[in-house]
Amino acid sequence: QQPVQSPQAVILREGEDAVINCSSSKALYSVHWYRQKHGEAPVFLMILLKGGEQKGHEKISASFNEKKQQSSLYLTASQLSYSGTYFCGTVALLTGTASKLTFGTGTRLQVTL
Amino acid sequence: ETGVTQTPRHLVMGMTNKKSLKCEQHLGHNAMYWYKQSAKKPLELMFVYSLEERVENNSVPSRFSPECPNSSHLFLHLHTLQPEDSALYLCASSQEQLAVLNTGELFFGEGSRLTVL
Repeated sequence: QQPVQSPQAVILREGEDAVINCSSSKALYSVHWYRQKHGEAPVFLMILLKGGEQKGHEKISASFNEKKQQSSLYLTASQLSYSGTYFCGTVALLTGTASKLTFGTGTRLQVTL
Repeated sequence: ETGVTQTPRHLVMGMTNKKSLKCEQHLGHNAMYWYKQSAKKPLELMFVYSLEERVENNSVPSRFSPECPNSSHLFLHLHTLQPEDSALYLCASSQEQLAVLNTGELFFGEGSRLTVL
């Protein structure tokens, strides 16, 4: 089952902040975040591992709450270049078989002037 | 030049046609993937190859046939597709197949936009 992302879409003015949430029904080993701009390939942003710390990438950071099986992506002082669709991907704790990265439905973010 | 190159970028085919999508990675990676991206659906993993061996077939219909002749090239052969197969097909690579667990970094191509009439 894929993780659930919220909101599905958000529109921001440049400089505003946003939070994108990712929730899974399974116990997780890791959460991965990607951004895909229109017509382009998805690009890796960061990974959060079980037991790891909050990560950051310029003004984009993320947290991983293992107990709640949730992750949040924080975009601070958004820029026009942040526009795109953000995907979280989750890897469930191994059960003796090869695990795989399962992506959420995506959150479309649009930053305007 | 991007690390992962896909051709063609756009493809229109009839349901009785046979066509192939090609992916080439220039990163020296050992694992390659096919994903399907449809409107309003998440990225769906189709196939995983590690060191040219298929390690994952995610319940994909047999009208999709992957081929990995070497660690740099991946093909997706298409035949007798259905209109619902119209989607963006993304190829990706990673250093090692299980390395996704640690580094998390998949390198995607820009995709092949497939339309089935």
